[in-house]
Amino acid sequence: SAVISQKPSRDICQRGTSLTIQCQVDSQVTMMFWYRQQPGQSLTLIATANQGSEATYESGFVIDKFPISRPNLTFSTLTVSNMSPEDSSIYLCSVVGTGFDQPQHFGDGTRLSIL
Amino acid sequence: QQPVQSPQAVILREGEDAVINCSSSKALYSVHWYRQKHGEAPVFLMILLKGGEQKGHDKISASFNEKKQQSSLYLTASQLSYSGTYFCGTSNTNAGKSTFGDGTTLTVKP
Repeated sequence: SAVISQKPSRDICQRGTSLTIQCQVDSQVTMMFWYRQQPGQSLTLIATANQGSEATYESGFVIDKFPISRPNLTFSTLTVSNMSPEDSSIYLCSVVGTGFDQPQHFGDGTRLSIL
Repeated sequence: QQPVQSPQAVILREGEDAVINCSSSKALYSVHWYRQKHGEAPVFLMILLKGGEQKGHDKISASFNEKKQQSSLYLTASQLSYSGTYFCGTSNTNAGKSTFGDGTTLTVKP
């Protein structure tokens, strides 16, 4: 399976600031997703990162708060904007490889704390 | 629509068996199973696509019922390394994205 590198692995930020998380894959993938996981909770899909076009957001998530880029088939960024303590969470990049009916694989995640 | 996982938590002794269930009110395209250890990313275990399918490796296997609305994960002769939270992820189409259940926390004790 693809090797997924996510940066930063963790950060502590001040409220009102923004943080950009990077996801780099070592091979081309068809799909890239961004998930959020609160401590002890399930994985919630934020959006699908579409190559060369605007991301597709799930209900409850908006582009102004979580702008996403995907300039090519191996790289994506998620920005968490104007952060508040409620944004403290683990943010995970997930990819689906080429081929039919491939599973999702996850990056190691970014542990974000907002003071 | 989020799948329903049961039980929420299981505590076992080494060598005991466990079953984790994942249910949907509608027929699914696929079910994925993952294990997540504390502080780590979820790790893919297996994917099921066909009604009536059963598959597995080593002592971990899974089934997908004929109606494609329920899947079960079977862990036999559990080892300490099986401890973690197990998630099922379900898809209604082949679009690749999954909706995850709330997870089942499995603790294996010596």
